[in-house]
Amino acid sequence: EDQVTQSPEALRLQEGESSSLNCSYTVSGLRGLFWYRQDPGKGPEFLFTLYSAGEEKEKERLKATLTKKESFLHITAPKPEDSATYLCAVLSGGSYIPTFGRGTSLIVHP
Amino acid sequence: KAGVTQTPRYLIKTRGQQVTLSCSPISGHRSVSWYQQTPGQGLQFLFEYFSETQRNKGNFPGRFSGRQFSNSRSEMNVSTLELGDSALYLCASSNPSGGALQKETQYFGPGTRLLVL
Repeated sequence: EDQVTQSPEALRLQEGESSSLNCSYTVSGLRGLFWYRQDPGKGPEFLFTLYSAGEEKEKERLKATLTKKESFLHITAPKPEDSATYLCAVLSGGSYIPTFGRGTSLIVHP
Repeated sequence: KAGVTQTPRYLIKTRGQQVTLSCSPISGHRSVSWYQQTPGQGLQFLFEYFSETQRNKGNFPGRFSGRQFSNSRSEMNVSTLELGDSALYLCASSNPSGGALQKETQYFGPGTRLLVL
């Protein structure tokens, strides 16, 4: 059974204080790892898809990286508008359905 | 391209009633998945439809059902509502048979907030 663990559960940063969110996974044959951002009461917004170890993707202040066991979402010089819950999900083997982690709630203080 | 749309956005029902939620996927997407999201349980998979056929089903009671139409639009129905069914119901679409690099990425709609009183 696929497993996804995200840490920390909650993270408070000061504006400009860079940090990383972790997504550890156990799957049988990774087909894709996904990062989403979710604002309260809204649907998850797609950020990145990573397919193989060593792959990196960037978007504004966010950078996602992937190894064979985990993925990191690096946030550089965050701003208050980056406050949200960040979800990680993996798709494996012959499955059509991704397995989601519980998310990391990020609050960035001005 | 327009994103995934869900209607209605908010709904208040009483115990015992039934409810139907609607989802229109991104144009060209043939797979539609439904999720229930609550603070205590996180995102839980309900079912997935592809080309009008239910291809996967999560661990939910039979009160939860769905269908997909020939234009890929999907509906989910919850009968005999219970207080515990109060949640954000999310629909996501993807195009597993597409040629794009992100063909297996799911794109979510804004959700339907259901409150059962």
